[in-house]
Amino acid sequence: AQKITQTQPGMFVQEKEAVTLDCTYDTSDPSYGLFWYKQPSSGEMIFLIYQGSYDQQNATEGRYSLNFQKARKSANLVISASQLGDSAMYFCAMRVELGGYQKVTFGTGTKLQVIP
Amino acid sequence: ETGVTQTPRHLVMGMTNKKSLKCEQHLGHNAMYWYKQSAKKPLELMFVYNFKEQTENNSVPSRFSPECPNSSHLFLHLHTLQPEDSALYLCASSQVTSGGPSTDTQYFGPGTRLTVL
Repeated sequence: AQKITQTQPGMFVQEKEAVTLDCTYDTSDPSYGLFWYKQPSSGEMIFLIYQGSYDQQNATEGRYSLNFQKARKSANLVISASQLGDSAMYFCAMRVELGGYQKVTFGTGTKLQVIP
Repeated sequence: ETGVTQTPRHLVMGMTNKKSLKCEQHLGHNAMYWYKQSAKKPLELMFVYNFKEQTENNSVPSRFSPECPNSSHLFLHLHTLQPEDSALYLCASSQVTSGGPSTDTQYFGPGTRLTVL
């Protein structure tokens, strides 16, 4: 079975500071993808960053980077130079392919609030 | 046109009503998804369509009926819902490639906020 755990229900960060959002995962499948999504109060899920299980380097997208530690099964999201617009819910997700079918599992999310 | 659109954005219905949610993707993707997001619960995958064929149904009650007439459109037909079905329903699409690591990224619509009275 696949499982995503986000242990931080809420986080605060000062504007312009960096913040790390934790995500651990569990799967027995050797091939999987890890994603982070941002969900503002408007409700839309916005794709931020992707990391494949076979990728050798940590993914980066602008101010977002994914700290992928495969042995520890963690995929933490690092946001550098936080902005007020970063205040939102953040979801970690994992995708595996099982027998031709796709299985996507989301975590419970972390609510990030950026303080001016 | 934005990537994935959903209508309506808000819907209030009684338990005896029949309504439909609509999703349209303008990204040329070959897979579409319905998710349910309830308060304080993880996002739940409901249905998956690859090339218009339903490939996954995660034990969703029959009062939810999906329809995918083509690779760009996805509907969720609702009938005799329960108050616990009130949630945000999100549609997503992706370009699925067979074999290898699961690299296809899902792009989401803005969701339909459903309230069942």
